[in-house]
Amino acid sequence: DAKTTQPPSMDCAEGRAANLPCNHSTISGNEYVYWYRQIHSQGPQYIIHGLKNNETNEMASLIITEDRKSSTLILPHATLRDTAVYYCIVRLFYGGSQGNLIFGKGTKLSVKP
Amino acid sequence: GAGVSQSPSNKVTEKGKDVELRCDPISGHTALYWYRQSLGQGLEFLIYFQGNSAPDKSGLPSDRFSAERTGGSVSTLTIQRTQQEDSAVYLCASSSGPGTGNGYTFGSGTRLTVV
Repeated sequence: DAKTTQPPSMDCAEGRAANLPCNHSTISGNEYVYWYRQIHSQGPQYIIHGLKNNETNEMASLIITEDRKSSTLILPHATLRDTAVYYCIVRLFYGGSQGNLIFGKGTKLSVKP
Repeated sequence: GAGVSQSPSNKVTEKGKDVELRCDPISGHTALYWYRQSLGQGLEFLIYFQGNSAPDKSGLPSDRFSAERTGGSVSTLTIQRTQQEDSAVYLCASSSGPGTGNGYTFGSGTRLTVV
């Protein structure tokens, strides 16, 4: 079972920041938080991951609370092409067979003009 | 190639027939995963290959499903005696090692329709 809880859907206005929350209250000390997204009819796409520090890359920022029980993915300037299902996943960094990604139902983000 | 390639992109088959789905991972990637996604559902893990280790088959839904990976590269997922509930998009992903931090690269999937 997925170890994360996400809202099923969110809307965001084009050009505004999209803040997608994720709860992972049972995360263990050696598990990372990963975010993927799946645009309609495509395979999932890696976005970002982190352990406990906030992370930023060209796609997004990841804010992890100090107790690591929740995190927020931030798309700073959402575009229509960011409309997708966003998955928050916790997993071991080097998990071997245990490291396979367990996908929950994700959050369907709709960016509106 | 530059990405994970899956073939065919679409497959329609009659109930009871066998099908083979192919995955070409990124060159040099040692880890390969198969998932499936039924309409409107999340991704369901099927099987995992890592190097020469025995595969983790814990996600295969029945003994009609099998997969192999030849030469540590190309993988084939075989479904025998297909049923209508097997209809789904079958996704393959690869990574450069077990649990590689930069994540997996997914293919575009094979849409299987059993009629």
